Amino acid sequence: DAGVTQSPTHLIKTRGQQVTLRCSPKSGHDTVSWYQQALGQGPQFIFQYYEEEERQRGNFPDRFSGHQFPNYSSELNVNALLLGDSALYLCASSLPDRGTYEQYFGPGTRLTVT
Amino acid sequence: RKEVEQDPGPFNVPEGATVAFNCTYSNSASQSFFWYRQDCRKEPKLLMSVYSSGNEDGRFTAQLNRASQYISLLIRDSKLSDSATYLCVVNPRTGRRALTFGSGTRLQVQP
Repeated sequence: DAGVTQSPTHLIKTRGQQVTLRCSPKSGHDTVSWYQQALGQGPQFIFQYYEEEERQRGNFPDRFSGHQFPNYSSELNVNALLLGDSALYLCASSLPDRGTYEQYFGPGTRLTVT
Repeated sequence: RKEVEQDPGPFNVPEGATVAFNCTYSNSASQSFFWYRQDCRKEPKLLMSVYSSGNEDGRFTAQLNRASQYISLLIRDSKLSDSATYLCVVNPRTGRRALTFGSGTRLQVQP
């Protein structure tokens, strides 16, 4: 049973460019959340997708957008990259509503903006 | 004030020691609580959920005090393999909601 997978593993982009990151959730999971983790910080919530719609969003600008596909996989798009967007981007998936709401993380995509 | 606050450490302890981490959260309506473990340059992994009655998993014990909005994690008989960053995590509401992470407490267990 494959866990959460993400691609690519590493990415280097130039300021002003656009980037797309991909995530496949754990088998049986229907909800995908994206987080940004800067060095030395905990993950910060970007947004969450369920039933192909954005259900909740954190304090991130509109430059950050996403999509969920019918097979529950998801993409995170970031436009007009800034140096401050350099971080580890984590995707997490979860089962349909459970009392404890556990999430399972993928290995992340490390984005460097130069 | 941060929504979830943790002592960043690092905590440097010898093998076999007992170590405790604390965490406070600001949203009194928070419903679910967790400890995640994150190894260097890896993804966070769920260590354990935290319940009001307290729960134990082997050498790990988690406690929740809703009145004080305080969560703790106790690790007994520390192993070298316990060296990692421990993230205190809160789910503000039930259902498909975002997790709010603390900045993490770094533990280094020394031989």
